[in-house]
This record gives sequence, structure tokens and C-alpha cells, in this order.
Amino acid sequence: EAGVVQSPRYKIIEKKQPVAFWCNPISGHNTLYWYLQNLGQGPELLIRYENEEAVDDSQLPKDRFSAERLKGVDSTLKIQPAELGDSAVYLCASSLAGSSYEQYFGPGTRLTVT
Amino acid sequence: SQQGEEDPQALSIQEGENATMNCSYKTSINNLQWYRQNSGRGLVHLILIRSNEREKHSGRLRVTLDTSKKSSSLLITASRAADTASYFCATEGVMNRDDKIIFGKGTRLHILP
Repeated sequence: EAGVVQSPRYKIIEKKQPVAFWCNPISGHNTLYWYLQNLGQGPELLIRYENEEAVDDSQLPKDRFSAERLKGVDSTLKIQPAELGDSAVYLCASSLAGSSYEQYFGPGTRLTVT
Repeated sequence: SQQGEEDPQALSIQEGENATMNCSYKTSINNLQWYRQNSGRGLVHLILIRSNEREKHSGRLRVTLDTSKKSSSLLITASRAADTASYFCATEGVMNRDDKIIFGKGTRLHILP
């Protein structure tokens, strides 16, 4: 069984430029999460989807961040415009149905904003 | 919030010894999960323990949960070099469908040869 796939693995952009991350969850997993992880810290939830619906986006900076999960499968997280402080690892995870199940994480996308 | 906080922040032990790390949280939870993260990699789920459970085992791992003290511990027995990683606890709150999963800052475990 394939795991959670994320692309790209690394991205370097200049500040004020847009950037997008893509995530393909494990087949059959209804719940999809996007996390941000700074060095030496734990993951911080940005948004959680149950199928196509964003059920928790309270930590998503909506002035510059946006996300979508069309058809309840793949998801895209976008930042526009990027700021220096956005440099971090962006992790995608999926679980079978809700947060009472174990989450499977992708390898993450390391973003560097210069 | 019910953020979990791991203790200690860092731990170095000799290979073969047991490693214990703790997690404390603030409010009522549905469950608590432990994850491992090797350097530069994604997180891997270790154990999920529900609020009505007190102890769970998985191989060399033993997790306890004390809801009265709002704390959990992860014990790794007979440690190996491959156990070198960061370990995070994650708590799920009880606020209906908006239950939040919150991760702690992690314990960095280093196994010395």
C-alpha cells in the first residue's frame, strides 16, 4: 500500500512569491491534515478536512494561506505571497475517519523563503 | 488548550537501557497518541491509547495513561541505536466534531553506542 505522497520535497523561493504544495493521501482515508513544523518543534495543525469539508481551519492564516481538497482526495496548500517566516516543513497526513484514528504522515515539503 | 508537553526535552542513554519520556496535558481528552520522527523524515505512529485505557503495549513499547493526573508515559525497553529519534505525544480533545489534535514539542532521544 502506498503511503502519503507529497510534492515537491524541497522548495526554495523568494519572499512575496507564491508557492503550492500537493498531497495525495492513502486511498480510502477520509481525513486529511496539513501541518507546519518548525525546527525543533512539534507539528502545528493548519487545516483538517473530512472528505471535501474543512472542519478545522482555525490555525490557517487566511490572509495568505489557502487550501482545497477537491473530490475529497488530493489536496493543495498554497501560500501567496510567501514571507520569510513561512520557512518550515509542511507535512500532510491522512487518517481513516477522523482524529480518533492513527495518522499517516507524508515525508513533508521543506520550504525555504529567501 | 490541551497541548501536550513532553518531558524531558532531550534524553541520552546507553544502548540496551530503558528510556522513559512523559507527556502532560491540560484538558480532557478522547485519546492520546505517540509518534516517532527520525531526523528529516515524517512522523510514524507508535501507539494510540484511549481515555478509558490505562496501559498499552506494542513490542518494546509500553504506554500508560493517567487521566486523573493528565499525563502519559512512553517506555522503550532495551533501547537500540535505531530508536534515536524525536518522540511526540498528540492529544485529541473532546469538543465534538471540532476535536483538535495538538502535538507537543517532543523529546529528543539519543541512544549512545
